Amino acid sequence: ETGVTQTPRHLVMGMTNKKSLKCEQHLGHNAMYWYKQSAKKPLELMFVYNFKEQTENNSVPSRFSPECPNSSHLFLHLHTLQPEDSALYLCASSQPQGALYEQYFGPGTRLTVT
Amino acid sequence: TQLLEQSPQFLSIQEGENLTVYCNSSSVFSSLQWYRQEPGEGPVLLVTVVTGGEVKKLKRLTFQFGDARKDSSLHITAAQPGDTGLYLCRAGTALIFGKGTTLSVSS
Repeated sequence: ETGVTQTPRHLVMGMTNKKSLKCEQHLGHNAMYWYKQSAKKPLELMFVYNFKEQTENNSVPSRFSPECPNSSHLFLHLHTLQPEDSALYLCASSQPQGALYEQYFGPGTRLTVT
Repeated sequence: TQLLEQSPQFLSIQEGENLTVYCNSSSVFSSLQWYRQEPGEGPVLLVTVVTGGEVKKLKRLTFQFGDARKDSSLHITAAQPGDTGLYLCRAGTALIFGKGTTLSVSS
């Protein structure tokens, strides 16, 4: 238990569906992240939020839409995804910029796009 | 673009053996972290090294940061099946991960 929870753990969706991934951290951190992990690729940083403000968008397609209503919650809204978007989506949190960015990850959501 | 190269990519050993995995870059980093990821779970932070030449020990795991702060190694003594997993290195504030070393320890 790392203090970061993600739901759902598994998700299967069609290309025309709309779904959302949820992340919650109980560590008092102020930075939150979304990563994508595909087979044979390094972890890919998608989005970074510091104090609820998006500070990095790593050229992510608009079919992925993040939302950070407060420092403890992070969402990733999905719509019209492609099969190549199937991957493990990981949420992480840390203390914000200026610290060592020691990240604490959730268990991930395994997404399959059919 | 900063890149972290991890080697070997895969390692399969018997219980009780020793091993070393590496994380190398052409860039200098202010700090470097090692994580371990087990199947079906997210990465878990093992250690952060910040000083060139620094050595940190975590039970049977020994982490070293290169003098020039461009590389790091992780040495495991007497590996156990519980050490099985994907070992990832990450450059401090750059939020960049290497591809990782997949370690399999069989009994």
